[in-house]
Amino acid sequence: AQSVTQPDIHITVSEGASLELRCNYSYGATPYLFWYVQSPGQGLQLLLKYFSGDTLVQGIKGFEAEFKRSQSSFNLRKPSVHWSDAAEYFCAVGATSGTYKYIFGTGTRLKVLA
Amino acid sequence: GAVVSQHPSRVICKSGTSVKIECRSLDFQATTMFWYRQFPKQSLMLMATSNEGSKATYEQGVEKDKFLINHASLTLSTLTVTSAHPEDSSFYICSARRRQGVAYNEQFFGPGTRLTVL
Repeated sequence: AQSVTQPDIHITVSEGASLELRCNYSYGATPYLFWYVQSPGQGLQLLLKYFSGDTLVQGIKGFEAEFKRSQSSFNLRKPSVHWSDAAEYFCAVGATSGTYKYIFGTGTRLKVLA
Repeated sequence: GAVVSQHPSRVICKSGTSVKIECRSLDFQATTMFWYRQFPKQSLMLMATSNEGSKATYEQGVEKDKFLINHASLTLSTLTVTSAHPEDSSFYICSARRRQGVAYNEQFFGPGTRLTVL
């Protein structure tokens, strides 16, 4: 069975500071991995995804994530946070067969200080 | 490409009534559609998986008689919340997976439907 953990429920950073959001997964093989962002009352927006290949993945809005097999992690990073990045961030693990089901982490709420 | 729509975006109903939510893949054929539920300030919980022309598979703890899912075509799935009660108030999100071709292993998400039961 697949599972995903986002250890940080809330993170507060100052505008312009760097950001790292943690994501750890459990899966029998290398899963598909995703990061989504959700603003209040809105749907999900895909930031980036990993299926295979290069373990450093570039996404939209200046985000990147690194897949580390040895640590079962897929942490999201951004070198300089903007006030508009304040939102909820979800990591998801996707199955690599069958219905390709996703399991979402509990989310990390990002607050950005001016 | 890979656009998924949901209708309605918001619905308010009285307790005891039934509500239908539609999920459509607008520019691709979807082998599989998924329904998620999200309570305020919580994560998305997968409710059920539906394949076109077959019965939906519900996750543990989800009442299949309460949440009726129909996937009648390769572009449309519906979720009907029967005899809705205030505790069913939530944000319902659907997603769809392509039948074949590029990104067949990826889900594309709809914008969500906010259900409020009075």
